[in-house]
Amino acid sequence: GIQVEQSPPDLILQEGANSTLRCNFSDSVNNLQWFHQNPWGQLINLFYIPSGTKQNGRLSATTVATERYSLLYISSSQTTDSGVYFCAVGAGGGNKLTFGTGTQLKVEL
Amino acid sequence: GAVVSQHPSWVICKSGTSVKIECRSLDFQATTMFWYRQFPKQSLMLMATSNEGSKATYEQGVEKDKFLINHASLTLSTLTVTSAHPEDSSFYICSLTGVSETQYFGPGTRLLVL
Repeated sequence: GIQVEQSPPDLILQEGANSTLRCNFSDSVNNLQWFHQNPWGQLINLFYIPSGTKQNGRLSATTVATERYSLLYISSSQTTDSGVYFCAVGAGGGNKLTFGTGTQLKVEL
Repeated sequence: GAVVSQHPSWVICKSGTSVKIECRSLDFQATTMFWYRQFPKQSLMLMATSNEGSKATYEQGVEKDKFLINHASLTLSTLTVTSAHPEDSSFYICSLTGVSETQYFGPGTRLLVL
């Protein structure tokens, strides 16, 4: 199956700092999504982005499908951004997703 | 987006008992739902795909006789952990795909088997 690796595994930021999270995947995909899991376990969809670039407020994402990676940018980080960020990919049909290893983010005052 | 609920949010049970977890889509008719399991400090692992009106499709290594899935309607899927043991203690999460292939997750159920 597809392997999905994320980096860095852990990240500590001061409030207001910017960061870039990376997701590498081992095979062609037609589905890529970024999620934020808050400290209570709830996953929130941030982006559906199998290719191209999208922006939503302080967050943006870019997927370069031909090179098998995606980037999530967080600008002006806030303490509420803390949690785990996952990318998840799918290939073929059926909407099944394979989750990456995750990046644990902590934003400090 | 779709709103997904799960019940219960927490359950503690004795070893050998069975536990049923419900996943409801509150505002979307979902022919397909997914069940994941997440151990502490780990990623989500897909357990099975729940199909309305038909049998679930299980991922490799997931015991279908232990994790019974029933997708009785377009808004309800249930996961029953049969004869639970301490190693089944985990965070169980359901999801469904909305109109745009975006996946929406329930809040999860924490299971602790003593």
